[in-house]
Amino acid sequence: LAKTTQPISMDSYEGQEVNITCSHNNIATNDYITWYQQFPSQGPRFIIQGYKTKVTNEVASLFIPADRKSSTLSLPRVSLSDTAVYYCLSGPGGGNKLTFGTGTQLKVEL
Amino acid sequence: EAGVAQSPRYKIIEKRQSVAFWCNPISGHATLYWYQQILGQGPKLLIQFQNNGVVDDSQLPKDRFSAERLKGVDSTLKIQPAKLEDSAVYLCASSLYPEASGTYEQYFGPGTRLTVT
Repeated sequence: LAKTTQPISMDSYEGQEVNITCSHNNIATNDYITWYQQFPSQGPRFIIQGYKTKVTNEVASLFIPADRKSSTLSLPRVSLSDTAVYYCLSGPGGGNKLTFGTGTQLKVEL
Repeated sequence: EAGVAQSPRYKIIEKRQSVAFWCNPISGHATLYWYQQILGQGPKLLIQFQNNGVVDDSQLPKDRFSAERLKGVDSTLKIQPAKLEDSAVYLCASSLYPEASGTYEQYFGPGTRLTVT
């Protein structure tokens, strides 16, 4: 199973850009990189997914270097409501099996 | 569209009792997953169904856990007998075939919080 490593926690202030970096040293050729967000008492929610280079959607950007051994989730101008746990995952391209790590607890303050 | 539904939301049982959880995935989603999330940890996949067939149950404690997905739609997860270490949130998720959707996005339900005393 692919394994990822990410910081346990991060603190930020409203309006700042937050970058959470994840390492996935044993990522396989057909693995995708996916980020999920989880609020207390809720199931995880998909944020963004990519294979290489840069992907952007309405809530975040995902940067993946050429060697794909790391990825960075970028959250522009965070607000208090972005306080949550963020999970980085790499999963096989041949199926949907995802392995969650312990995630990064992001705390946004005023 | 309606999300993944789970019931009950909370359950308290004594050890050695049995319990069952129910999940109704998003309509049209062929793949269904059950995860166990212990407090402070990420979700751990217990079992994955593709339609009504099991794709992966390598992390399911089969001596006490069982799951089924009748007619490729709803699913139930059962624990019998329960142990103290089974206290966790049980999450159900569903997804489309990645080949059809181009994504591996999973949609999670709210979970069932199980407390074993």
